[in-house]
Amino acid sequence: GAVVSQHPSWVICKSGTSVKIECRSLDFQATTMFWYRQFPKQSLMLMATSNEGSKATYEQGVEKDKFLINHASLTLSTLTVTSAHPEDSSFYICSAADTEQFFGPGTRLTVL
Amino acid sequence: EDKVVQSPLSLVVHEGDTVTLNCSYEVTNFRSLLWYKQEKKAPTFLFMLTSSGIEKKSGRLSSILDKKELFSILNITATQTGDSAVYLCAVRGSGGSNYKLTFGKGTLLTVNP
Repeated sequence: GAVVSQHPSWVICKSGTSVKIECRSLDFQATTMFWYRQFPKQSLMLMATSNEGSKATYEQGVEKDKFLINHASLTLSTLTVTSAHPEDSSFYICSAADTEQFFGPGTRLTVL
Repeated sequence: EDKVVQSPLSLVVHEGDTVTLNCSYEVTNFRSLLWYKQEKKAPTFLFMLTSSGIEKKSGRLSSILDKKELFSILNITATQTGDSAVYLCAVRGSGGSNYKLTFGKGTLLTVNP
């Protein structure tokens, strides 16, 4: 089956620093990747849709300058949380799509 | 805007019980409805439904879709403690990216021994 990895699986950082999260499709090429955020006891909220070689499409209310997305190849997308603040602490999940969406294991970000 | 509503939000049962989880939706140009199971990490795929009235089955889990009434149910029979998880329902329409999913808030299922 399709495998999607994320790195790191968890990260703790100080307020004001930037954090990069990688999402890789290991055994297939994904023209489209998605980034979700999930707060405790909440559902997955789509942040942005990332298409290889083009700019990401952000959902309403998501700041594109704060959550930088790069999809440089068909197997890699990165999400950079810039100038992170405690309210950015969350579970970030990516998914990669070929015929369906396959989810990565998620990254838990804690901003102190 | 696409919308997915799941009920109940949480459910506590004993091992061996049968449970039914509900999902109703509003979506522009429906393509498919998907069920996921989420334990401590990311969701794992259970079923994808595209046609009304055709039951999908995998072991003790089954699901069916009613496109006229815009809902789906997920049944789990003879529940086990390992079934404890959040069950997410998502729909895919034709708006935006072809693969974009809209998720419901999920049903937290707790199965006690």
